[in-house]
Amino acid sequence: DIQMTQSPSSLSASVGDRVTITCQASQDISNYLNWYQQKPGKAPKLLIYDASNLETGVPSRFSGSGSGTDFTFTISSLQPEDIATYYCQQYDNLRLTFGGGTKVEIK
Amino acid sequence: QVQLVQSGAEVKKPGASVKVSCKTSAYTFTDYYIHWVRQAPGQGLEWMGWINPDSGGTKYAQKFQGRVTMTRDTSISTTYMELSRLTPDDTAVYFCARDTNTWSYDYWGQGTLVTVSS
Repeated sequence: DIQMTQSPSSLSASVGDRVTITCQASQDISNYLNWYQQKPGKAPKLLIYDASNLETGVPSRFSGSGSGTDFTFTISSLQPEDIATYYCQQYDNLRLTFGGGTKVEIK
Repeated sequence: QVQLVQSGAEVKKPGASVKVSCKTSAYTFTDYYIHWVRQAPGQGLEWMGWINPDSGGTKYAQKFQGRVTMTRDTSISTTYMELSRLTPDDTAVYFCARDTNTWSYDYWGQGTLVTVSS
């Protein structure tokens, strides 16, 4: 299975800061990459699909970019409600893999 | 509205099997794949596999090959995930999730806690 290396595993930032999370695939996955937000005790929520497309209803401060093996997820201006763990997820050859997650906290 | 409702928490002994159900409603059951994802306490998400509710076809993560079986009952719009030869490392919340048909998930079940302990 394709491995996804996500970093950092945790970060602390101030409200209004720009936050960036990266995900690296062990092989070329084109743009087959999604990003999810998970709050404690809840199921994950889809934010970005196909590397850079914003899911309907998701605030525009969330964005994604990248292709091939290197991907980036950005929160342009961190808000208190963005406190959560974020996961990348790849899909290739009918199998899926999640990154290890990034826990985002407020400084 | 679309709902995925999972069966309740389970406690199992090592070596036993567990079968978790995921009952769907408010959409055409056979139109969307269902995936199973688990999350150990304090850990990340782990994809286990998917089932095509129309054909019954499945694909499992290599880690679970030979130990997981996903099935469905179209008459009651329900999918099942059975995991055998349980060990304490299988203690986790197990989620079912609906595939959007583009390999992302739009709806999730509430999760089922499976605890494996002697």
